[in-house]
Amino acid sequence: DGGITQSPKYLFRKEGQNVTLSCEQNLNHDAMYWYRQDPGQGLRLIYYSQIVNDFQKGDIAEGYSVSREKKESFPLTVTSAQKNPTAFYLCASSILGAHYEQYFGPGTRLTVT
Amino acid sequence: GQQLNQSPQSMFIQEGEDVSMNCTSSSIFNTWLWYKQDPGEGPVLLIALYKAGELTSNGRLTAQFGITRKDSFLNISASIPSDVGIYFCAVYATDRDDKIIFGKGTRLHILP
Repeated sequence: DGGITQSPKYLFRKEGQNVTLSCEQNLNHDAMYWYRQDPGQGLRLIYYSQIVNDFQKGDIAEGYSVSREKKESFPLTVTSAQKNPTAFYLCASSILGAHYEQYFGPGTRLTVT
Repeated sequence: GQQLNQSPQSMFIQEGEDVSMNCTSSSIFNTWLWYKQDPGEGPVLLIALYKAGELTSNGRLTAQFGITRKDSFLNISASIPSDVGIYFCAVYATDRDDKIIFGKGTRLHILP
């Protein structure tokens, strides 16, 4: 079955540690995205990538980093510089030229204490 | 920055009732989207609207793209328990690097 997988579903870290969230897709989509969701808020774009080895900052990129070494994979690192990292993180992908039709993964809930 | 205003923030309805929610913007957008997010999952695209005035249905869901291109509404008829979740409106912002801008969502609760 084609789709987007995010792992793990729940992640717990101590403050000051970097943590990497996984996102893999087998839809053969060129574009991939990372969003952050906080309670009562819409989705906010962290980073996106339209092609391998290239990515752009979204609206709230500070304290995050990404890489896009393979078409299928777009991992997100939450660094210790992120002031408020506890949130629900969603990865999405789309076909180039159809950015409005984004397919989302099941999300990773990160809790930092 | 550009914002979408969704209302209401939350709704409590009886099973079987019809539901209506809407979304407005101060800017014009040419593509409006409605997503649904089940608890603990990622959002799923329900309906995409591409033409001002367009009315589109998907089963019990009906959405309209406002004629001014600054608003949209979503109706759900004869609600059932699996309709519970958060409904997000979104717009496709071609003037902002082809990004999607999301509203804050309407959380739907269904009473038995």
